[in-house]
Amino acid sequence: QSALTQPPSASGSPGQSVTISCTGTSSDVGAYNYVSWYQQHPGKAPKLMIYEVTKRPSGVPDRFSGSKSGNTASLTVSGLQAEDEADYYCSSYAGSNNFYVFGTGTKVTVL
Amino acid sequence: QITLKESGPTLVKPTQTLTLTCTFSGFSLSTSGVGVGWIRQPPGKALEWLALIYWDDDKRYSPSLKSRLTITKDTSKNQVVLTMTNMDPVDTATYYCAHRASDFDIWGQGTMVTVSS
Repeated sequence: QSALTQPPSASGSPGQSVTISCTGTSSDVGAYNYVSWYQQHPGKAPKLMIYEVTKRPSGVPDRFSGSKSGNTASLTVSGLQAEDEADYYCSSYAGSNNFYVFGTGTKVTVL
Repeated sequence: QITLKESGPTLVKPTQTLTLTCTFSGFSLSTSGVGVGWIRQPPGKALEWLALIYWDDDKRYSPSLKSRLTITKDTSKNQVVLTMTNMDPVDTATYYCAHRASDFDIWGQGTMVTVSS
């Protein structure tokens, strides 16, 4: 059960967009539409931002959007704001045996 | 309003068994589709899913840790308990419990566990 692969860092200026990738395999990301994204500020618990690839929980700004193509999922943050600076983790359902896997995490910096 | 809170020892010795309790409110673990999971995060490292228990007592474990983990629920007390045997310093981490409906949508604040002699 290997972690999903994310770039260690990403950055953008306020108002710009940043896209984070999450690469898995045909047994997890590629097989199911159960990819989620979590935002984590330092010293805080993670917060669900996207689930089932594209859905936003109530209260999450529509600046956050998700997509998937093949074995790679992506999170796009549009109109970057200072408070978007955080660590972001993807996750995916991985079938009945492995069940659930997180990504390696990406630190987003707002320049 | 759904809330969860983790409790347990902050320090355990190597080879000991860790027992963590997640006490929750605002939902029932007897409601169809609902689950409670455990996730941990070593200092400065990524999240790692550990275990999940559903309303119908279906239990799922991380394959790499399955032999060391047990998850149980007490619906009447609104609690989920995770035990991890044979603790090692590499198990030092913040341990979170989380409500699962639309994935892990509500998290507890986490509890830091240090494994050291």
